[in-house]
Amino acid sequence: LAKTTQPISMDSYEGQEVNITCSHNNIATNDYITWYQQFPSQGPRFIIQGYKTKVTNEVASLFIPADRKSSTLSLPRVSLSDTAVYYCLVGFLGGSSNTGKLIFGQGTTLQVKP
Amino acid sequence: NAGVMQNPRHLVRRRGQEARLRCSPMKGHSHVYWYRQLPEEGLKFMVYLQKENIIDESGMPKERFSAEFPKEGPSILRIQQVVRGDSAAYFCASSQPLGAGDNEQFFGPGTRLTVL
Repeated sequence: LAKTTQPISMDSYEGQEVNITCSHNNIATNDYITWYQQFPSQGPRFIIQGYKTKVTNEVASLFIPADRKSSTLSLPRVSLSDTAVYYCLVGFLGGSSNTGKLIFGQGTTLQVKP
Repeated sequence: NAGVMQNPRHLVRRRGQEARLRCSPMKGHSHVYWYRQLPEEGLKFMVYLQKENIIDESGMPKERFSAEFPKEGPSILRIQQVVRGDSAAYFCASSQPLGAGDNEQFFGPGTRLTVL
C-alpha cells in the first residue's frame, strides 16, 4: 500500500476551518484516499473517501489535486468535539487490493481549543 | 441496526492466562477484521476473516494468537499465555464483501486488554 505522510499534530480554535494535508507520492491508479477519525477510547470512524478532485459530505470535504500525490481533509468550523486523531489511508477502495485490510499510520492529532 | 459489538470492553489477565475477545459484526456483514493498537500508535492489522475462513493473517503473531469466525456466533480472537506486551486495545471491524459497495469498515468500541 502507498505510504502516507501527515503532520503528527495540529492545533486549532473553535469555529475555524482546519485543513490536514496528507502526502502519498506512490499512490497507485486503483487507490482511493480515505480518512478515518478516532476519538480517545473509541474505534476509528469513517469520515470521507475520494478518488480525485473534490468530495464533500455532511462533515468534511476532501480535496485531491490532479496528480493525486497529496490530499487535504477540510473540516469546516471545528468545535471542541472535533478533537481527535485523523488518519489518512490510501489503497484499493480504501484498503489492500486483495483483502481490503486498512494500513494506518500514526495519524494527525487535532486539538481544538476554546 | 446495531453496530459492531465487542466484548468484553475491558479485560484483565495475569501473565500466562488466556484472553478471549469476541466480536459480532454488523448485520449483513460477512467480513471481519481485527486490529491492535498500542498506546500512542495507529492501528495495526492482524487478521481478516470471512465466515469459517481466514483470508489474511499476515499481521498475526505466529505464536499464541489465533482467530476464528464460525458459521454461527461471533468472531473470536484468542491469545494464549498472555504476556505484558499483549496489553493493548484490540479493535474489530466489519464490512460488506469487497466491491459490494464503498467497502467502508465499521469499527467496534474495542477491547482493552491489560496483562498484569
